[in-house]
Amino acid sequence: SYELTQPPSVSVSPGQTARITCSADALPKHYTYWYQQKPGQAPMLVIYKDSERPSGIPERFSGSSSGTTVTLTISGVQAEDEADYYCQSADSSNTYYVFGTGTKVTVL
Amino acid sequence: QVQLQESGPGLVKPSQTLSLTCTVSGGSISSGSYYWSWIRQPAGKGLEWIGRIYTSGSTNYNPSLKSRVTISVDTSKNQFSLKLSSVTAADTAVYYCARENYGSGSYGVDYWGQGTLVTVSS
Repeated sequence: SYELTQPPSVSVSPGQTARITCSADALPKHYTYWYQQKPGQAPMLVIYKDSERPSGIPERFSGSSSGTTVTLTISGVQAEDEADYYCQSADSSNTYYVFGTGTKVTVL
Repeated sequence: QVQLQESGPGLVKPSQTLSLTCTVSGGSISSGSYYWSWIRQPAGKGLEWIGRIYTSGSTNYNPSLKSRVTISVDTSKNQFSLKLSSVTAADTAVYYCARENYGSGSYGVDYWGQGTLVTVSS
């Protein structure tokens, strides 16, 4: 089965940069999407098509892709960015979606 | 503003069928280029994509659940539904219905319901 692997946790001080990786276990890699989920809430889309930002999402959120790894970068982290983050992509045949294992971002 | 609301039993017995409905308001479920999706999350764990149905009625399912899942749409009621058969305790989770914006490719899941907890227990 297709898998997306993320680090379980990332800790960062306010104002610093957090980078969350999402590694696919196979090529071809399709577009990746990133979701932020705060406790007790539904997830919220923060990046689509690897690097595009939906309207209303702060510019400090950015995405990039290289080979089978994609990265969500949060520049100038704020306390409100503390949350779980999940990547999502399609399997190699583009017939179903998979979520990454999730990363808890802690703002120190 | 599109809103999605899940409804259905919060408790299902093992081996029975879990049935949930998602009511869409603020827009027609049959217009536009959208997939209507179900995603679940066991307590304290990550997200699991269950499947989706397009406005045309075509479906995609998670291979690990495909033999037990059916997603359907009722355009007259502006609703879509999830049926998961032969449930076990492992199916206990918060179930989300959601909309995937799909124009020239996917723009991601942009609207989510609040989620509904379904517990499988006798």
